[in-house]
Amino acid sequence: GENVEQHPSTLSVQEGDSAVIKCTYSDSASNYFPWYKQELGKGPQLIIDIRSNVGEKKDQRIAVTLNKTAKHFSLHITETQPEDSAVYFCAASRGYGNKLVFGAGTILRVKS
Amino acid sequence: NAGVTQTPKFQVLKTGQSMTLQCAQDMNHEYMSWYRQDPGMGLRLIHYSVGAGITDQGEVPNGYNVSRSTTEDFPLRLLSAAPSQTSVYFCAVRRETGELFFGEGSRLTVL
Repeated sequence: GENVEQHPSTLSVQEGDSAVIKCTYSDSASNYFPWYKQELGKGPQLIIDIRSNVGEKKDQRIAVTLNKTAKHFSLHITETQPEDSAVYFCAASRGYGNKLVFGAGTILRVKS
Repeated sequence: NAGVTQTPKFQVLKTGQSMTLQCAQDMNHEYMSWYRQDPGMGLRLIHYSVGAGITDQGEVPNGYNVSRSTTEDFPLRLLSAAPSQTSVYFCAVRRETGELFFGEGSRLTVL
């Protein structure tokens, strides 16, 4: 089955700097790669996703890149703000959300 | 996270007790799932359902039962709780876009 590895496990950045979180996946048939943000005491919320027919997707300060050959994808947050502090999860699946497999998570701290 | 309601939010059990975590949605989505979240391990799929009357196992199904008699409800049953089942449990529905939409979680402690 699918296995998703996520790095780093913790990341501290200064406000205004960029943050990058990287994930690798094992199943070459996976075609859907979402990123979730989880704030303390809440359920994860989707922030951006990418499908296998696209190499990059941007939404304001957030971007995701996908390298299907290397089987890795990354989340890029620019101009970080204190409210970006949270736990971020990457995930992968076949069939757009069926049996989504998650990485272990990255704790992002943005210092002001 | 209006649309997916989990109850209870907190529960303490003794080893060997049974209980049911409830999940209800008002969005009429076919796909529902249960995940558990443990420190350093992300979210792991327990069971999922693609529609009323259809359920299947995920990555970590042992010790848990599910049923899906209606589109709205997807309860998760612990038949004989063990300390290893101490965790935060999340119910999620899948939207047409593929997005998993999560409830706010149920925190379970087994003593």
